[in-house]
Amino acid sequence: DAMVIQNPRYQVTQFGKPVTLSCSQTLNHNVMYWYQQKSSQAPKLLFHYYDKDFNNEADTPDNFQSRRPNTSFCFLDIRSPGLGDAAMYLCATSRATGEAFFGQGTRLTVV
Amino acid sequence: AQSVAQPEDQVNVAEGNPLTVKCTYSVSGNPYLFWYVQYPNRGLQFLLKYITGDNLVKGSYGFEAEFNKSQTSFHLKKPSALVSDSALYFCAVRDPDMRFGAGTRLTVKP
Repeated sequence: DAMVIQNPRYQVTQFGKPVTLSCSQTLNHNVMYWYQQKSSQAPKLLFHYYDKDFNNEADTPDNFQSRRPNTSFCFLDIRSPGLGDAAMYLCATSRATGEAFFGQGTRLTVV
Repeated sequence: AQSVAQPEDQVNVAEGNPLTVKCTYSVSGNPYLFWYVQYPNRGLQFLLKYITGDNLVKGSYGFEAEFNKSQTSFHLKKPSALVSDSALYFCAVRDPDMRFGAGTRLTVKP
């Protein structure tokens, strides 16, 4: 089935140690998103790509970066994770209009 | 900027009773509105959307929503709630990015 896949589902990293979360899609959607969600709050948009055009939200910390090497893959890099970065990270894809399709999420724990 | 608001943090209903989860929007132009559901430790699942057309939109798992332009609302409804409907529900607007309301936790009690 076509889908959005996030790896890993659970990630534990040390304070200050760089970590990369990955997302892949088989839907061939041109839009990809990264969201951060804490404690059942609303997902907060960090970045999005329209094809290769990258857009980051004004309040996304510099500690967060993203790469999209091709249509199918997108990565979220956290350069120096702090305790406040512990959260669920959600990847989603969509066409230019219409609904978004979400992966299962990666729960990041910072120790 | 376009936005949606969910005025209720929590909604409790008894199984078999109708349920409503409220959402209001603030949008210039024609809104693209969505409802998603989230179960614990999972991603969001799409339920239904309003783009254009009929104001009553039917979606997955027996849910429906009514787009009301005069009241700027897009409330989610289900005629008969199930215990398995208990989850976190998010209203969203496409701005063109997908932006979410604060969420409403629905609890359906047996």
